[in-house]
Amino acid sequence: NAGVMQNPRHLVRRRGQEARLRCSPMKGHSHVYWYRQLPEEGLKFMVYLQKENIIDESGMPKERFSAEFPKEGPSILRIQQVVRGDSAAYFCASSRTDTLTLAKNIQYFGAGTRLSVL
Amino acid sequence: QQPVQSPQAVILREGEDAVINCSSSKALYSVHWYRQKHGEAPVFLMILLKGGEQKGHEKISASFNEKKQQSSLYLTASQLSYSGTYFCGTFTGNQFYFGTGTSLTVIP
Repeated sequence: NAGVMQNPRHLVRRRGQEARLRCSPMKGHSHVYWYRQLPEEGLKFMVYLQKENIIDESGMPKERFSAEFPKEGPSILRIQQVVRGDSAAYFCASSRTDTLTLAKNIQYFGAGTRLSVL
Repeated sequence: QQPVQSPQAVILREGEDAVINCSSSKALYSVHWYRQKHGEAPVFLMILLKGGEQKGHEKISASFNEKKQQSSLYLTASQLSYSGTYFCGTFTGNQFYFGTGTSLTVIP
């Protein structure tokens, strides 16, 4: 059973370009979470999605950032007009949907995408 | 809303024990523990769902004091492979908050 797959592992962009980060959840998982981790810091929640729905995006900057999780295909985190401050590791996690309460959801993480903005 | 962990960093010799604490200013309905090695993804260790619950796997165990809004992770007879940063975490609404992290280094 394949784990959470993220690609690309490393992404280099120049200021002003767009970055697209992909995340394929584990088989049987329909909840996806995105986190950002700055160097030597902890992980910060960005957005929580279920298939075709954004459940909570309150941790995501309102401008330039967007996320989607279509019915078919991977979840996409999109950053438009990147700036140097966007340089970070972006992690995706997925969880199952058979729990009655969110508090019980165990998240499994992908290896992350390291974004570098020149 | 981010749980606070203590200590921030600890260095152990192989075979020594350590305790990592996690405190929240908000009510805790569950506590999740993860370990992250440098440059890698966080790896799930365990989840505690009830006050008073204790769990363990080999030489790593945890407790959850719901009333005090605290959890502790216990590492006994540490091994070199235990090195990494340990995070507690909890859901508040739909958001998951990781703790401030504890860097653990085990030396021979």
